[in-house]
Amino acid sequence: QKEVEQNSGPLSVPEGAIASLNCTYSDRVSQSFFWYRQYSGKSPELIMSIYSNGDKEDGRFTAQLNKASQYVSLLIRDSQPSDSATYLCAVTASGGSSASKIIFGSGTRLSIRP
Amino acid sequence: SAVISQKPSRDICQRGTSLTIQCQVDSQVTMMFWYRQQPGQSLTLIATANQGSEATYESGFVIDKFPISRPNLTFSTLTVSNMSPEDSSIYLCSVRGTVLADSYEQYFGPGTRLTVT
Repeated sequence: QKEVEQNSGPLSVPEGAIASLNCTYSDRVSQSFFWYRQYSGKSPELIMSIYSNGDKEDGRFTAQLNKASQYVSLLIRDSQPSDSATYLCAVTASGGSSASKIIFGSGTRLSIRP
Repeated sequence: SAVISQKPSRDICQRGTSLTIQCQVDSQVTMMFWYRQQPGQSLTLIATANQGSEATYESGFVIDKFPISRPNLTFSTLTVSNMSPEDSSIYLCSVRGTVLADSYEQYFGPGTRLTVT
């Protein structure tokens, strides 16, 4: 069973600080990794994708990937109350008929306190 | 990214009835998926909607309960048949790739909130 694991939280971070969200995955040959943000009552919104080891920065967001450790993280700098949401980690499944599927973690609830 | 719409946005249905949810995309996409998200839970893939052929269902989901159509590259429907209260959930359409460039990046529609009484 291919899995994506996240701490469910809630993760509470003071406004202006760095929020660090972590995710591990079990499928060693996964190639594509994503972070989605989901506000309460809304659908998931893709905020970052990363395909190779290292860091990828987009504004206040940085995705970090370490395939050897099967670990992907999302850093949010200068956290704002509007960043309060559930963050879903997603990983492509590998091989055969499941090659096109994305597997989602259960999500981490992030709360930014003023 | 593509603009995805779903109809209806929400509905309250009686048990034993069926509801068809529509998903419309403003551009031709390679792949379309249907997910379910129950309260406080993550996303569960129901099936991949295949254009011109039968959908590919995930374990635990069957065509008789969740028939899916995809007549073209911009439109798909999901029917929830013979509903029970356990079917109360948010149903989400998701798309990936275009006919010009495939991609693993997936985008979601706004969802359909279904309540079965």
